[in-house]
Amino acid sequence: QSALTQPASVSGSPGQSITISCTGTSSDIGAYNYVSWYQQYPGKAPKLMIYDVSNRPSGVSNRFSGSKSDNTASLTISGLQAEDEADYYCNSYTNSDTHVVFGGGTKLIVL
Amino acid sequence: QVQLQESGPGLVKPSETLSLTCAVSGSSITSGYYWGWIRQPPGKGLEWIGSIHQNGITYYHPSLKSRVTMSVDTSKDLFSLNLSSVTAADTAVYYCARNSVWGSYRPPFDYWGQGTLVTVSS
Repeated sequence: QSALTQPASVSGSPGQSITISCTGTSSDIGAYNYVSWYQQYPGKAPKLMIYDVSNRPSGVSNRFSGSKSDNTASLTISGLQAEDEADYYCNSYTNSDTHVVFGGGTKLIVL
Repeated sequence: QVQLQESGPGLVKPSETLSLTCAVSGSSITSGYYWGWIRQPPGKGLEWIGSIHQNGITYYHPSLKSRVTMSVDTSKDLFSLNLSSVTAADTAVYYCARNSVWGSYRPPFDYWGQGTLVTVSS
């Protein structure tokens, strides 16, 4: 069981917007603005898409955005494209002795 | 451009020690960042194993702490992972990655290796 809770899957049609949630606790997401999001294609390494809740690394499309409210972080993808179909993982620092936690991952299906 | 490359045996017998190295290029391992290991069992999610600084300071996941040792070889710009007493539950793709915040082991991880599958089986 992962420390952060994500929906197993979300789906959307091309052009639509979707949001993936990531629920933690007051020890991780609720305590720090250290939430990041990764995109992973099958057989490939994860790619950093969002860091520190809402910042995009250079080269990441502005269709990807992040936010946080209390113990829940969210990744929103607008203008869905077929190439967005992938697994997405959230990640946070925690003040527990676990130090670093990941979500269980969400499969994004583009219909 | 920072690049990381994992290497090591793809098959390890139960109760033995899994040993992997990660070669860093495009950046010096003494640049002040932490360097981490993350694994992903087949069909499952990501799990942080631990991170190490050039000065040898380490942080490990508590569930693995009794079996994990990480080290750094600054002369070769590489860092290593040893996981002892492995079982089938340790079968996973193992990634090395860089903690992107200078001097901190907190997320995010900005550069990742391609990953290497390690199977634990007799």
